[in-house]
Amino acid sequence: DARVTQTPRHKVTEMGQEVTMRCQPILGHNTVFWYRQTMMQGLELLAYFRNRAPLDDSGMPKDRFSAEMPDATLATLKIQPSEPRDSAVYFCASEKLEANTGELFFGEGSRLTVL
Amino acid sequence: GEDVEQSLFLSVREGDSSVINCTYTDSSSTYLYWYKQEPGAGLQLLTYIFSNMDMKQDQRLTVLLNKKDKHLSLRIADTQTGDSAIYFCAERGRAGNTGKLIFGQGTTLQVKP
Repeated sequence: DARVTQTPRHKVTEMGQEVTMRCQPILGHNTVFWYRQTMMQGLELLAYFRNRAPLDDSGMPKDRFSAEMPDATLATLKIQPSEPRDSAVYFCASEKLEANTGELFFGEGSRLTVL
Repeated sequence: GEDVEQSLFLSVREGDSSVINCTYTDSSSTYLYWYKQEPGAGLQLLTYIFSNMDMKQDQRLTVLLNKKDKHLSLRIADTQTGDSAIYFCAERGRAGNTGKLIFGQGTTLQVKP
C-alpha cells in the first residue's frame, strides 16, 4: 500500500559528521514537508516543497541544514556539520494538493542521535 | 503570527470520555485538523473540520469548533487503552488549503485500565 518511506530509521553519529536523511513521498503527491520533533520544541516545520520547488525553509537553520528534491520521488535533508542539539526525530510528510483535504501522510521518521 | 496551543497531558480511565482542547490564532484558517501519533510512529490524520462547521461527528470522535473564541476540541467517547497516544491539533497557514500545516505541541493521552 502507498506510504511515505524514510531512511535511515535510526542514526547515531558524532558531532561534526555529515548526516543525510532521505524521503520517498507517495507517488503522485506533489507537496513534501520536513518536520523535526523534540520533547522541548514539539513538532517544528523545517521546510516544504511543492512540485519540487522550495516554498518555505524559514524554519531551518541555514548555516548547517539543507533540503532538496533532486526528483519527484526523492527528498533529502542534510545536516553538515551535525551538533548534539540536532538530536531529534525527523519526519517527512507528503500531500496531494488536489485532494483538497489537507491530509498529510507521514513517514515513520528518522531518529537522529548526535553524540 | 500563526500559533496553536494545547495542554500537554490528559489522563482518563478506560470507558470515560476524553476531551482534548486546542486554541489557535489564525482566524483565516479554513481547515482545522486532529492528528494522532502512536509510539514510534508518524502522525496520522484522525479527522478534520471546515471552518464553516461547528461540529463534526465520526463514530466515537466529536469535533467542536468555536470560531469566535478560536477554540477546537476533540471528544473521544468510551476511551479505550488503544487510544493512548499523542494528539495534535493543527491549522492551515494563511494561504488556506495550500499553506503549511501548523501543529500544536501535542496532548499526551494516557488511558488507565
